[in-house]
Amino acid sequence: EVQLVESGGGLVQPGGSLRLSCAASGFTFSSYSMNWVRQAPGKGLEWVSYISSSSSTIYYADSVKGRFTISRDNAKNSLYLQMNSLRDEDTAVYYCARDGVFDYWGQGTLVTVSS
Amino acid sequence: DIQMTQSPSAMSASVGDRVTITCRASQGISNYLAWFQQKPGKVPKRLIYAASSLQSGVPSRFSGSGSGTEFTLTISSLQPEDFATYYCLQHNSYPPTFGQGTRLEIK
Repeated sequence: EVQLVESGGGLVQPGGSLRLSCAASGFTFSSYSMNWVRQAPGKGLEWVSYISSSSSTIYYADSVKGRFTISRDNAKNSLYLQMNSLRDEDTAVYYCARDGVFDYWGQGTLVTVSS
Repeated sequence: DIQMTQSPSAMSASVGDRVTITCRASQGISNYLAWFQQKPGKVPKRLIYAASSLQSGVPSRFSGSGSGTEFTLTISSLQPEDFATYYCLQHNSYPPTFGQGTRLEIK
């Protein structure tokens, strides 16, 4: 069974940093690209970042470019999102989602940016 | 970036009704479109992929159609558990973009 489990969310002050993790199981993680998607409270879904299976290709949404860094460790079956210079508008539930077709999603982790 | 215009943004319907939701892409995306259902506090669930393929385990009352720039999600006979928010997603090119969502409420 495919499972994606996010962790690392929490309350952080504006300008602060946070590192999210997504632990994958039930499939060959190293064969799949991965994405981060977020959803602000009461709002729609917004794609955040993509990383290919070998980390050779990475994309970011304009709203996070230069502040967020996506990475993965295929030996640990894990995906990461390093978030720096956080802003109020980054407050959201962050989901990891498998592949370019977004077929499996984790349960999400809440990031709250507030003073 | 490809814009996805989803309509309506909200609608009310009754159990047993046939419902159609539309997504229009700002440029052609072939069939690289998926539909998701999201209930409050829950994870988005993929219903349809490749514009018209039904995700395993999803009831057959859900169907998708379209190609190019215009796509529809149809629920043939609404059930109580179908009241939720629905999103389309294009993944033809990066950045992938979601429609703004359709909130389906009970009449």
